[in-house]
Amino acid sequence: DQQVKQNSPSLSVQEGRISILNCDYTNSMFDYFLWYKKYPAEGPTFLISISSIKDKNEDGRFTVFLNKSAKHLSLHIVPSQPGDSAVYFCAASDSGAGSYQLTFGKGTKLSVIP
Amino acid sequence: DTEVTQTPKHLVMGMTNKKSLKCEQHMGHRAMYWYKQKAKKPPELMFVYSYEKLSINESVPSRFSPECPNSSLLNLHLHALQPEDSALYLCASSQDSYSNQPQHFGDGTRLSIL
Repeated sequence: DQQVKQNSPSLSVQEGRISILNCDYTNSMFDYFLWYKKYPAEGPTFLISISSIKDKNEDGRFTVFLNKSAKHLSLHIVPSQPGDSAVYFCAASDSGAGSYQLTFGKGTKLSVIP
Repeated sequence: DTEVTQTPKHLVMGMTNKKSLKCEQHMGHRAMYWYKQKAKKPPELMFVYSYEKLSINESVPSRFSPECPNSSLLNLHLHALQPEDSALYLCASSQDSYSNQPQHFGDGTRLSIL
C-alpha cells in the first residue's frame, strides 16, 4: 500500500516556465513533508519542507503548497532552468510515530528543455 | 557539495568477502541513517542511530552490521552478501530523529555483489 504517491513518472517543461510537481498521500497522520532532488550518481538533495501547520513555504524559486483536506502537496519551480532537470522525490513523516521514518514517493523525472 | 561524505563511491565484492562502508558528517547531527536504494525505486530505511545508539533496525538481515564509533561516523559492515544486495547504499543525517528536521544524504556507495 503506497502511502505517498507521485502519479506522474515524468514531466517536460520549457526553460523559463513553471514546473509543477504533484504528490498525494493517504496517511492522515503525516505532518511533515519534504521534497528532494536527485541527479544520477548522486544522493538525494534536500530542497524544501513544510509542516502541516502551514499551507505554503517558499525558498527562492521553489514553493511548496500543502492542501491537507485533499491530502495533496505540490512543488512549484519558477522559473525552471535546465539545471533543474533531475528526479524529484516527495517524502512524508509522522512525528508522532518518529520523524525519522520518511515515506518516499516513487519520484518524478523533470526535464527542462532549453 | 554534500556535507555527508560516503566512501567508497563504488564497491564490487564477492559473496564471501567482508567489507565496510563508511559515512561521515560534521554538521553536529545526532541522528544518522542507512538506506538501501534499488534502481527506479525510492530509498528504503535500514537502520537509525540516535545519539550513537542503534534505535531502529528495519528487519535487516544480519549480514549487514551497522556501527557508530562516534557522533560523526557511521559504518556498515558487510559479510556474506547475496547478489540481490546489489544496490545504492545511502547514508543520511539529521539534527535528531524525533523532531521535524530534514535528513541530509550522502552520494551513496554503489555496491555490486558478484
